[in-house]
Amino acid sequence: AQSVTQLGSHVSVSEGALVLLRCNYSSSVPPYLFWYVQYPNQGLQLLLKYTSAATLVKGINGFEAEFKKSETSFHLTKPSAHMSDAAEYFCAVSVTGGGADGLTFGKGTHLIIQP
Amino acid sequence: GAVVSQHPSWVICKSGTSVKIECRSLDFQATTMFWYRQFPKQSLMLMATSNEGSKATYEQGVEKDKFLINHASLTLSTLTVTSAHPEDSSFYICSARNRDKPYEQYFGPGTRLTVT
Repeated sequence: AQSVTQLGSHVSVSEGALVLLRCNYSSSVPPYLFWYVQYPNQGLQLLLKYTSAATLVKGINGFEAEFKKSETSFHLTKPSAHMSDAAEYFCAVSVTGGGADGLTFGKGTHLIIQP
Repeated sequence: GAVVSQHPSWVICKSGTSVKIECRSLDFQATTMFWYRQFPKQSLMLMATSNEGSKATYEQGVEKDKFLINHASLTLSTLTVTSAHPEDSSFYICSARNRDKPYEQYFGPGTRLTVT
């Protein structure tokens, strides 16, 4: 079975500062990894995904994540935070279906942007 | 493209009644749809996998007789919460896998269920 651990249920950064959201995974087979963003009372929007191609994945809204097998990590970063980035972020893993099967999600990290 | 809708967006029902939630893929055909449940300020938990024309596969601990799933067409799956109780109050989110792009899945906006 696979699992995801997101370190830090809340992360607060100043506007313009670096955003770093941590995600570690556990999987017995090569995983497919995802980051989703959720705004209040809305569904999930895919930010980016890793599907065994390039280890550095660029997504929407200036976010990127790097897959590090040795560290079993897939941390999400953005060089400069914007107020509109305030939301809940979920890391997810899948090991089958090319990543298009049911996902296992982390508990989420609430990103707070300080003006 | 790749839009998934859910109806209703929110519903309030009385304890003991049943409520149906629809998940539709609007511009693609979905051979597989997934149903998730999200409690307040918590993560999403996969409830079941629904394949068009066949019985749904439920995750461990999910009561299949309580959460009835029907996937009668390539664009529609329904989740019926039977004999709802206050503890069933939650945010229910579906996602759909594109038949023509099997490595892609798209999430609906979710349905907020409140059982009084």
